[in-house]
Amino acid sequence: LAKTTQPISMDSYEGQEVNITCSHNNIATNDYITWYQQFPSQGPRFIIQGYKTKVTNEVASLFIPADRKSSTLSLPRVSLSDTAVYYCLVGESRRGSQGNLIFGKGTKLSVKP
Amino acid sequence: DGGITQSPKYLFRKEGQNVTLSCEQNLNHDAMYWYRQDPGQGLRLIYYSQIVNDFQKGDIAEGYSVSREKKESFPLTVTSAQKNPTAFYLCASRTGGESAFFGQGTRLTVV
Repeated sequence: LAKTTQPISMDSYEGQEVNITCSHNNIATNDYITWYQQFPSQGPRFIIQGYKTKVTNEVASLFIPADRKSSTLSLPRVSLSDTAVYYCLVGESRRGSQGNLIFGKGTKLSVKP
Repeated sequence: DGGITQSPKYLFRKEGQNVTLSCEQNLNHDAMYWYRQDPGQGLRLIYYSQIVNDFQKGDIAEGYSVSREKKESFPLTVTSAQKNPTAFYLCASRTGGESAFFGQGTRLTVV
């Protein structure tokens, strides 16, 4: 499984766009990139998943460069309720892999008024 | 509603006791996972199971045991061999490489 590296923490203000970058230099050809969000005392929940270029849904965008050695989660116009820990996972393949899911330490995002 | 349920939400254990945490899912997912989370830390994998009657150790399996007799259920036993069991325990399930669904967690405290 590819190891991921994320910043430990980030601060932002309400209404700003937040970009969290994850490095995954050893990503394999069949690996997808998945981001989860976790609030205190709750289980993580899925945000977005992508393989290459750009993916957008109702809550976030995911940018993946051509070499796929990194990815950036973009949260538009954050609010106080976006304060959480964000995890980047690599290796969760859509091709039927049900192996282990390894979480890193994540990025703690603090949004201030 | 489909989902994954952990019980109890809070659990207290005396030193030397074994306790079992319950995890049930009605999502028809094949794979199930147990994680431990300590304050301010990420999730560490304890055990996972890809099919019934089969499971593999994760990074921190010592002092824990699991069973997978039914597709819907993946209970975790914290044994007396686990010297520092106080933590937040999370169960997850998924299938076909799709994103994982998590339960709401069990907070275990040694008293």
